[in-house]
Amino acid sequence: QSVLTQPPSASGTPGQRVTMSCSGSRSNIGSNYVHWYQQFPGTAPQLLVYRNNQRPSGVPDRFSGSKSGTSASLAISGLRSEDEADYYCAAWDDSLSWVFGGGTKLTVL
Amino acid sequence: EVRLVESGGVVVQPGGSLRLSCVASGFTFHDYTMHWVRQVPGKGLEWVSLIGWTGVGTNYADSVRGRFTISRDNGENSLYLQMSSLRTEDTAFYYCAKDSDRHCTTTTCYLDYWGPGTLVTVSS
Repeated sequence: QSVLTQPPSASGTPGQRVTMSCSGSRSNIGSNYVHWYQQFPGTAPQLLVYRNNQRPSGVPDRFSGSKSGTSASLAISGLRSEDEADYYCAAWDDSLSWVFGGGTKLTVL
Repeated sequence: EVRLVESGGVVVQPGGSLRLSCVASGFTFHDYTMHWVRQVPGKGLEWVSLIGWTGVGTNYADSVRGRFTISRDNGENSLYLQMSSLRTEDTAFYYCAKDSDRHCTTTTCYLDYWGPGTLVTVSS
């Protein structure tokens, strides 16, 4: 059971906008930044969004993150087939550990 | 270019021991806190342990505390995870990852680079 809660799946058609949520508590999302990772099958997670809404260089602005209270969300606009992957949220917890969501598997129909 | 490469993953019997290694390059290893994160195949990510840049500060997930020991050799740009009393539920891909900022002591940091992982299988 993951500390952060994510829906197990999401889907959309090419060009659509999809969002996925991440819910935590006061000790993690409520008091610290949220970060998002993208993972393709057989590969390591890659940083997608950091500090709630910042994108590393090379990440398209189709990807955006937001946070409110103890929840966060990742939005992908102009959905493309290559966006099909697993998405994980992460946050530092005041217990001095990292916590992750269980991941959302995105399917592009 | 930042590179992290894990090794040491094998098939081991329950109750056995194993040491994982992670060799780093492309950044000043001795300036960064490092982490181990694991992932059961087909499942989510679980943070395992961290070690501060000097090697003095460490922390562990409750699921591994007392059984795993994290260490580092800054002269060899290497991170280690000594695993003992292994259980079937420790079967996972183990990734090493680095902090985003040098000497990070705040909650603003994140895990920016990850290695490709090494698979540990605990099975009789």
